[in-house]
Amino acid sequence: GENVEQHPSTLSVQEGDSAVIKCTYSDSASNYFPWYKQELGKRPQLIIDIRSNVGEKKDQRIAVTLNKTAKHFSLHITETQPEDSAVYFCAAKDSGDYKLSFGAGTTVTVRA
Amino acid sequence: EAQVTQNPRYLITVTGKKLTVTCSQNMNHEYMSWYRQDPGLGLRQIYYSMNVEVTDKGDVPEGYKVSRKEKRNFPLILESPSPNQTSLYFCASSPPSGGFGAEQYFGPGTRLTVT
Repeated sequence: GENVEQHPSTLSVQEGDSAVIKCTYSDSASNYFPWYKQELGKRPQLIIDIRSNVGEKKDQRIAVTLNKTAKHFSLHITETQPEDSAVYFCAAKDSGDYKLSFGAGTTVTVRA
Repeated sequence: EAQVTQNPRYLITVTGKKLTVTCSQNMNHEYMSWYRQDPGLGLRQIYYSMNVEVTDKGDVPEGYKVSRKEKRNFPLILESPSPNQTSLYFCASSPPSGGFGAEQYFGPGTRLTVT
């Protein structure tokens, strides 16, 4: 099955700086890579996703890049703000089934 | 309001006492799934359902059962709970994705403690 590894597990950044979270996946058949944000005590919510036929996607201050050859994808948050503090999860889905495999999560803290 | 609901939100029970956590969505989504969240392990899929009467195992199905008799409901059943099933459980649903994936809408979570 799919194995998703996520790094780092914790990340502390100064407000206004950028944050980068990286994930690797094992199954070359995976074709969908979402990122979820979970604020303390809340449910996970999708913030951005990318399909395997696209190399990069951007939505305001967040962007995701995908390298299919190396089997890794990254989340980039620019101009971080205190409200960006949360746990971020990457995930990968195999094109052949309905399983969604998540990484272990990255706790991001934005220092004012 | 489009939403996924779970009940109960909090539950403390004892080893071996059967329990059911309900999940319901009002978005007419075909796909539903159950996850458990444990510190340092992220979200792990327990079971998922592609449509009514169609279910399959996720990564950690041992000790759990599910059923999908109606499109909107996807209950999670613990026939004989054990302390290692103490966790935060999330139900999620999503529309068809045309071969890729689609946004999963998560319920509010159920905090289960088994003593």
